[in-house]
Amino acid sequence: GENVEQHPSTLSVQEGDSAVIKCTYSDSASNYFPWYKQELGKRPQLIIDIRSNVGEKKDQRIAVTLNKTAKHFSLHITETQPEDSAVYFCAASISGTASKLTFGTGTRLQVTL
Amino acid sequence: EAQVTQNPRYLITVTGKKLTVTCSQNMNHEYMSWYRQDPGLGLRQIYYSMNVEVTDKGDVPEGYKVSRKEKRNFPLILESPSPNQTSLYFCASSLPGVGTDTQYFGPGTRLTVL
Repeated sequence: GENVEQHPSTLSVQEGDSAVIKCTYSDSASNYFPWYKQELGKRPQLIIDIRSNVGEKKDQRIAVTLNKTAKHFSLHITETQPEDSAVYFCAASISGTASKLTFGTGTRLQVTL
Repeated sequence: EAQVTQNPRYLITVTGKKLTVTCSQNMNHEYMSWYRQDPGLGLRQIYYSMNVEVTDKGDVPEGYKVSRKEKRNFPLILESPSPNQTSLYFCASSLPGVGTDTQYFGPGTRLTVL
């Protein structure tokens, strides 16, 4: 089955700096890659996703890039703010939808003042 | 209000005592899933359903059962809970589309099996 590795497990940045979280996947048939944000004590929420026919997608301060050849995708957060502090999860799916997802183990992002 | 609800939110039980965690969504979503979340392991999918009467195993289905008799409900059943099933459980639903496939999570159920 699919295996998703996520790095780093923790990341601390200063407010205003950029943060990058990287994931690799094992199944070349994977074609849908969402990112979720989970604040402390809350449920995960989708923040951005990308499909395999697209190399990059951007939404305000967040962007995701996908390299199908290398089988890795990354989340980029620019101009980080304290409210960006959370755990971020990447995931991959071979179904093209959120029906069957394999998640990474998460990255705890801390944005310091 | 569009939402996914789970009950109970907290449950402490003993080994072997059958339990059911309910999940309901009011968004007419076709897809529903159950996940468990454990420290250091992230979210792991237990079962998913792509429609009524259509369910399939996720990555960690052992010890769990599900059913999808109605579109809105997707209960998770633990026939004989064991301590290694102590975890935080999330139900989720989504409506597949060409664009963003937003999956909505329920508030979570924290289960402790003694």
